[in-house]
Amino acid sequence: DVKVTQSSRYLVKRTGEKVFLECVQDMDHENMFWYRQDPGLGLRLIYFSYDVKMKEKGDIPEGYSVSREKKERFSLILESASTNQTSMYLCASSPASGSFAEQYFGPGTRLTVT
Amino acid sequence: DQQVKQNSPSLSVQEGRISILNCDYTNSMFDYFLWYKKYPAEGPTFLISISSIKDKNEDGRFTVFLNKSAKHLSLHIVPSQPGDSAVYFCAASAVTGTASKLTFGTGTRLQVTL
Repeated sequence: DVKVTQSSRYLVKRTGEKVFLECVQDMDHENMFWYRQDPGLGLRLIYFSYDVKMKEKGDIPEGYSVSREKKERFSLILESASTNQTSMYLCASSPASGSFAEQYFGPGTRLTVT
Repeated sequence: DQQVKQNSPSLSVQEGRISILNCDYTNSMFDYFLWYKKYPAEGPTFLISISSIKDKNEDGRFTVFLNKSAKHLSLHIVPSQPGDSAVYFCAASAVTGTASKLTFGTGTRLQVTL
């Protein structure tokens, strides 16, 4: 059974804090993704990684960075949290299989920045 | 620039009737389409997909139709059940060179009433 886990379900941080969101997958997938979900905006891609130490910007990378030191782990970093980064953050993974790439999602982290 | 659009933010259907969720896209490079279902406080789960070489795919109560000339796809749920109440996201995929990325629509909240 495929599994993507995220380190926290709920997180409250203060403006200006550095925030780490961790994601682990046990499916030996090459690709990992970070999205944020906001009402009326759907899921928007922040960053993705197609291999260890490799990363690419998604549609809304500003204010975020990522790290992938091991194949199974993909971290999202908010360098200096701001209130407009209050959102639901979703991690996903997929195998490297061309277009036919169903993504498997974690349960999400609800981040509130005050 | 919303490349995948779900123009109905919500839909209410009686139990036992058909639910039809619609999705439009603008990018002709998309070659694979997926529907995800999301319950509150959970990550999206894959529901059904269709390749651009097909016009229909069926899986139990769920059928996805693709009209490439109109750049339109729809998800039919027959018969609708109360457990189908969730947010449904349409997503489209295209290989970008390094990994296949999904572009999501904004979602449609389906409520199935008794």
